Amino acid sequence: GAGVSQTPSNKVTEKGKYVELRCDPISGHTALYWYRQSLGQGPEFLIYFQGTGAADDSGLPNDRFFAVRPEGSVSTLKIQRTERGDSAVYLCASSLGLAGGTQYFGPGTRLTVL
Amino acid sequence: QQQVKQSPQSLIVQKGGIPIINCAYENTAFDYFPWYQQFPGKGPALLIAIRPDVSEKKEGRFTISFNKSAKQFSLHIMDSQPGDSATYFCAASKGGYGNKLVFGAGTILRVKS
Repeated sequence: GAGVSQTPSNKVTEKGKYVELRCDPISGHTALYWYRQSLGQGPEFLIYFQGTGAADDSGLPNDRFFAVRPEGSVSTLKIQRTERGDSAVYLCASSLGLAGGTQYFGPGTRLTVL
Repeated sequence: QQQVKQSPQSLIVQKGGIPIINCAYENTAFDYFPWYQQFPGKGPALLIAIRPDVSEKKEGRFTISFNKSAKQFSLHIMDSQPGDSATYFCAASKGGYGNKLVFGAGTILRVKS
């Protein structure tokens, strides 16, 4: 693929519901990152995968957030019991996994929790 | 804790002007400093990046100046154009593998034609 793709582009849900956000990284990129961007703020790191394993999940705000990357390519960010404060743009980025490699971002999924 | 502080919050310049955006960091372990450009509805895109072993880097109309002792770095956009109107983010990371980026809050730039 040409770049990082994310689906859906927009997601509206009700408080308390479960949502899944999908990220398709650039082909061949072994490193994958999730960030969250609130309105008027810079992206904030959530979790980093190297291959299939979550190498750093220190940015996940609480145990309602979980992410997987079972085959080392596509990743899914899962949010349980959504809260209004979860409303944000969720960005995915990928890189070659080399030390200091450039991170390429997708367009994001805008999540709105009513 | 805000590890990367960015200013100004917004900036308006005339076409051809040289907007300057400043960032300051706290963590001396950071060794990679990229700048990203973001248009509405799009993800951030890398513009230019610098490592602390150099004090300046130029790529086209974009220049990063880096002051290691002051823990500050800045972005200069030469001959700015209306198409440069976007939000700019500085960031920092410790480099190495898993180099999660710590972003500044962003600067909204408007270039008037």
